[in-house]
Amino acid sequence: DAGVTQSPTHLIKTRGQHVTLRCSPISGHKSVSWYQQVLGQGPQFIFQYYEKEERGRGNFPDRFSARQFPNYSSELNVNALLLGDSALYLCASSRGEGTDTQYFGPGTRLTVL
Amino acid sequence: AQSVTQPDIHITVSEGASLELRCNYSYGATPYLFWYVQSPGQGLQLLLKYFSGDTLVQGIKGFEAEFKRSQSSFNLRKPSVHWSDAAEYFCAVGAGVSKIIFGKGTRLHILP
Repeated sequence: DAGVTQSPTHLIKTRGQHVTLRCSPISGHKSVSWYQQVLGQGPQFIFQYYEKEERGRGNFPDRFSARQFPNYSSELNVNALLLGDSALYLCASSRGEGTDTQYFGPGTRLTVL
Repeated sequence: AQSVTQPDIHITVSEGASLELRCNYSYGATPYLFWYVQSPGQGLQLLLKYFSGDTLVQGIKGFEAEFKRSQSSFNLRKPSVHWSDAAEYFCAVGAGVSKIIFGKGTRLHILP
């Protein structure tokens, strides 16, 4: 079975722009979580979605939003990009919600200039 | 507040030597605990997890971890490391309804 896939792999944006990152979960998984990993740090939780509903949100500003589609894929949107948004954005899928075992994709590397 | 501490930022061991990576957590209830490994430029791969039951957990690639409630620790061990084990290792705790809290990671270097 295919693992978690994310697109694009790399992205370069300028300050103030908007970005959309995409994630496809493992087949049969209904939950998607998003994490931000700044260089040299561990991943930080942004959102979890289960059955198209937001189940958890981390300490991120309203510029960050996400949604989950009927096929359980997900998008992460970030508006008004700041230099500090440069990071590796990781998507993880799990069968259920909560802290069920999460399997991570390869990430999208976002650089904001 | 929930937190995870990995006290060692970098660890260097010789190939074939044993390894122990330390992890301490802070969480009020019985924790769900994880170890993940991340190779450069890659996503995270789950090595092992503890939800309940036997406190010694076996994982992939010959790794094991022991949950010690009295010490709030979940240390990762491997009896003999290989050059391919060089990577960054993250300890994490399942916190509440939906999120996982990660430590800052320990970068493992292997000497030939």
